[in-house]
Amino acid sequence: DQQVKQNSPSLSVQEGRISILNCDYTNSMFDYFLWYKKYPAEGPTFLISISSIKDKNEDGRFTVFLNKSAKHLSLHIVPSQPGDSAVYFCAASVFGSARQLTFGSGTQLTVLP
Amino acid sequence: DAGVIQSPRHEVTEMGQEVTLRCKPISGHNSLFWYRQTMMRGLELLIYFNNNVPIDDSGMPEDRFSAKMPNASFSTLKIQPSEPRDSAVYFCASRRGAGEKLFFGSGTQLSVL
Repeated sequence: DQQVKQNSPSLSVQEGRISILNCDYTNSMFDYFLWYKKYPAEGPTFLISISSIKDKNEDGRFTVFLNKSAKHLSLHIVPSQPGDSAVYFCAASVFGSARQLTFGSGTQLTVLP
Repeated sequence: DAGVIQSPRHEVTEMGQEVTLRCKPISGHNSLFWYRQTMMRGLELLIYFNNNVPIDDSGMPEDRFSAKMPNASFSTLKIQPSEPRDSAVYFCASRRGAGEKLFFGSGTQLSVL
């Protein structure tokens, strides 16, 4: 049973527009959420995170929103750039679990020039 | 810092053969993780070590899989005997402590024919 789900395997957007990547989770004990970005032939790299005490965290063009009641988080990229084309993984962890990360299956984002 | 180093980058082997994947974590990091990436399941945690001690191996799929961490700077993931369904990208990751960011290696692309 996947506790972290990314239901869209792929997403294409035009350069300059907004990219919205979605993630749902089922474990209500998750209290820390992260997004990782992965380019081909490379390992995932940390992008942005959010604690469950917040509902929004922003870092430059990247903003993560958390809706705890819906068990849903999203990553917004504005404006999207061709270099943002990558696989984006959502991840979550539980306090006291040694912060093991549970990852989603990933969403391939393609930003078209 | 060289980052997390994995070898080999690619491994092609025949069913039934033994496969050994290697990982050198970032110096000073005390936790090491082995993940497997597949199209269907995304990034699955196989096992993680804390201070060279295996803490949780519940993600190891079968007895054919084993992992060791003889010292703080080296870990291996062994599959014996290998099967075609083991074909995937295997990532090693490390971090300084719980709550810290996870740093991934570039992965080993394993193909079992």
